[in-house]
Amino acid sequence: GENVEQHPSTLSVQEGDSAVIKCTYSDSASNYFPWYKQELGKRPQLIIDIRSNVGEKKDQRIAVTLNKTAKHFSLHITETQPEDSAVYFCAATPISNTGKLIFGQGTTLQVKP
Amino acid sequence: DVKVTQSSRYLVKRTGEKVFLECVQDMDHENMFWYRQDPGLGLRLIYFSYDVKMKEKGDIPEGYSVSREKKERFSLILESASTNQTSMYLCASGGRMGQGIFEQFFGPGTRLTVL
Repeated sequence: GENVEQHPSTLSVQEGDSAVIKCTYSDSASNYFPWYKQELGKRPQLIIDIRSNVGEKKDQRIAVTLNKTAKHFSLHITETQPEDSAVYFCAATPISNTGKLIFGQGTTLQVKP
Repeated sequence: DVKVTQSSRYLVKRTGEKVFLECVQDMDHENMFWYRQDPGLGLRLIYFSYDVKMKEKGDIPEGYSVSREKKERFSLILESASTNQTSMYLCASGGRMGQGIFEQFFGPGTRLTVL
């Protein structure tokens, strides 16, 4: 069935370093790939997304890349700060595209000062 | 700004009780969702509604039912709560952004403990 695999499950970096989270998806018809950030005790919030007709998108210190051939997409955070510490979820639209999203298992990012 | 609200942030219930979790959105979105979040398991879809009175089972519907009588409100019902339903429950609503793309916005979550 439709599936999104996310790696790593936990990631620890020093403040100022870069962090990369990778996701692979199973459905080649997926056309939308959002990333959500969930701080401790808060709701997941959309931080960046990418559509299937774009290879890369940047917003200040975060960027997302998409490789449709390989069916994977990645979140890149540069110059990490302690406030980047959170759980990050990737997602992809399933083939049915009725509005559902298939979520990855989440990555807990810890940025050490 | 999209607003998705949930009736309770924290709830403690006893085994066997009937539990109602309410979610309200103010963006006239067609779609509403109930997810369950457990450590290491990510966000698992319980039920999805794409219109008033319309619903679709998600990945883990067993032990749950839903109701959507009005477009802005989506309720999750635990007919007879059990301890393994202790979890964080997240509601989301979503609408069409164009080009077949749908966005989703989450509510603050309800942490349910079943004793």
